[in-house]
Amino acid sequence: DSGVTQTPKHLITATGQRVTLRCSPRSGDLSVYWYQQSLDQGLQFLIQYYNGEERAKGNILERFSAQQFPDLHSELNLSSLELGDSALYFCASSVGGAWDTQYFGPGTRLTVL
Amino acid sequence: GESVGLHLPTLSVQEGDNSIINCAYSNSASDYFIWYKQESGKGPQFIIDIRSNMDKRQGQRVTVLLNKTVKHLSLQIAATQPGDSAVYFCAEKPGNQFYFGTGTSLTVIP
Repeated sequence: DSGVTQTPKHLITATGQRVTLRCSPRSGDLSVYWYQQSLDQGLQFLIQYYNGEERAKGNILERFSAQQFPDLHSELNLSSLELGDSALYFCASSVGGAWDTQYFGPGTRLTVL
Repeated sequence: GESVGLHLPTLSVQEGDNSIINCAYSNSASDYFIWYKQESGKGPQFIIDIRSNMDKRQGQRVTVLLNKTVKHLSLQIAATQPGDSAVYFCAEKPGNQFYFGTGTSLTVIP
């Protein structure tokens, strides 16, 4: 158990819908990262937050957004969902330094029908 | 985007043998590299990391080698055990982002 929690574990929805994925980092970690993992690709970095502020942005679509709250939990919002958004979404957390180890949560499996 | 490629998508080894998993990276500006292990149904788990000012780093039963000249990274697992069966990812970090390879599936044959 990494100490990072993600909810829900599974999510099935329809195209065009909007969903919110939630992540709680390890106690004491200030950074939260979001990743997408699909069958035909490796892990794709989406976005990083540090202590409530966006720190780095990867291949995150405009239909996706994220935020980190004062209690340091984070939410990833996915809107206007398409079939191709079906994937595993992982959250990771770290203390916050550039080379700090990232600890991954168990992931949320999103299925868009 | 960045390209982090793995030389072999699958690798099978006998229990007790050593395993070597290779990874090519593309960005010469990458200054930090990580190996992750992902078991079925779980999130990636940190194994070992190395900074670009090092050529080799050892952990418990694992060694990472970095060859910056040819932009190559390898993970060596000594005395491979059935519990080592998983997908292994390498990742590079140029700047603020991490770029991951697609993974190598390691199967340990008892």
